[in-house]
Amino acid sequence: GENVEQHPSTLSVQEGDSAVIKCTYSDSASNYFPWYKQELGKGPQLIIDIRSNVGEKKDQRIAVTLNKTAKHFSLHITETQPEDSAVYFCAASSGNNNDMRFGAGTRLTVKP
Amino acid sequence: DAMVIQNPRYQVTQFGKPVTLSCSQTLNHNVMYWYQQKSSQAPKLLFHYYDKDFNNEADTPDNFQSRRPNTSFCFLDIRSPGLGDAAMYLCATSRVITIAGAYEQYFGPGTRLTVT
Repeated sequence: GENVEQHPSTLSVQEGDSAVIKCTYSDSASNYFPWYKQELGKGPQLIIDIRSNVGEKKDQRIAVTLNKTAKHFSLHITETQPEDSAVYFCAASSGNNNDMRFGAGTRLTVKP
Repeated sequence: DAMVIQNPRYQVTQFGKPVTLSCSQTLNHNVMYWYQQKSSQAPKLLFHYYDKDFNNEADTPDNFQSRRPNTSFCFLDIRSPGLGDAAMYLCATSRVITIAGAYEQYFGPGTRLTVT
């Protein structure tokens, strides 16, 4: 089955700096890679996703890149703000049998 | 407007006393999931329903059961909660895009279960 590894487990940046979180996956059949933001006491919220037919996707301050050959994908947040502080989860799925698997999460702290 | 609703948000039960958590959705999605999330860990899939078809994860304990009486509602039953079952329980839904083979999952706010 799919195995997703996520790094780093914690990340602290100064407001205005960029933050990068990286994930690797094991199943070459995976073709869907979402990123979720989870604030304290809330459920995960989808912030951006990428499918295997593209290498990069951007939405305002967040972007995701995918390298299918190397089986890794990354989340990039630019011009970070304190409200970006949360736990971020990557995930990977082949879309078959609803097999989404999550990374262990990254706790991002943006210091004002 | 809330799309995936979970009730209650906080639930306290006694060791061994059955408890039911509920989830409802306004998205008309055909797939509903239950995840268990322990502190500082990733969500762990317990099972999911694809329409009326129930799909259990291999390592989900028998203590956990689920019911889906209709498209909108899904319940998680814990028959005899142990201290180790204290966690956040997350419900999610998705509309399977069969051609693309990829889909988005929408999560509810979760129910935090405490076992005393």
